[in-house]
Amino acid sequence: KAGVTQTPRYLIKTRGQQVTLSCSPISGHRSVSWYQQTPGQGLQFLFEYFSETQRNKGNFPGRFSGRQFSNSRSEMNVSTLELGDSALYLCASSLSGGGVETQYFGPGTRLLVL
Amino acid sequence: KQEVTQIPAALSVPEGENLVLNCSFTDSAIYNLQWFRQDPGKGLTSLLLIQSSQREQTSGRLNASLDKSSGRSTLYIAASQPGDSATYLCAVRGHNAGNMLTFGGGTRLMVKP
Repeated sequence: KAGVTQTPRYLIKTRGQQVTLSCSPISGHRSVSWYQQTPGQGLQFLFEYFSETQRNKGNFPGRFSGRQFSNSRSEMNVSTLELGDSALYLCASSLSGGGVETQYFGPGTRLLVL
Repeated sequence: KQEVTQIPAALSVPEGENLVLNCSFTDSAIYNLQWFRQDPGKGLTSLLLIQSSQREQTSGRLNASLDKSSGRSTLYIAASQPGDSATYLCAVRGHNAGNMLTFGGGTRLMVKP
């Protein structure tokens, strides 16, 4: 069974631009969560989607948004990029987001904002 | 608000040594605790998941324990190898946090041949 895939793997943008990252969960998984990882703040939760609905949201500004499609694939968008948005963006999938489930992470998208 | 702390932040050991990584959390109302491994610039690999009702889980040379009442977990690595060099992260899933994981800062492990 294929793992969680993320595209693109690397991205370079300039301040003020916007970016869209994509995540394909493990087949059959319906819950997709997004995390931001930076050296200073570590891993921080962005949001979770289940059945095309945002179910939970972390403490990030409205410039960070996401969506989920009917095939469970998810995208996250960051508008008006800032230097501080440079990070590794990870997505994780699980079957339904139930309390006893293991979450499986993708390889991440490394975003550099110049 | 749940806070997760990992000690030590970095560890360097000779090959073959047994070692213990520590993780503590402030809110004991958790569903489970998960240990991950992260290689430089890569994603997270799940190592062990301990449900709140369990005391420990084992996989190969790895053993993770959970003491929910004291807010602590340990990851024991037996007979360490250079290939174990990586950052180890623990994460908890709280009762009132949906599917959100709260991560510790990680322990960066180097095993020297």
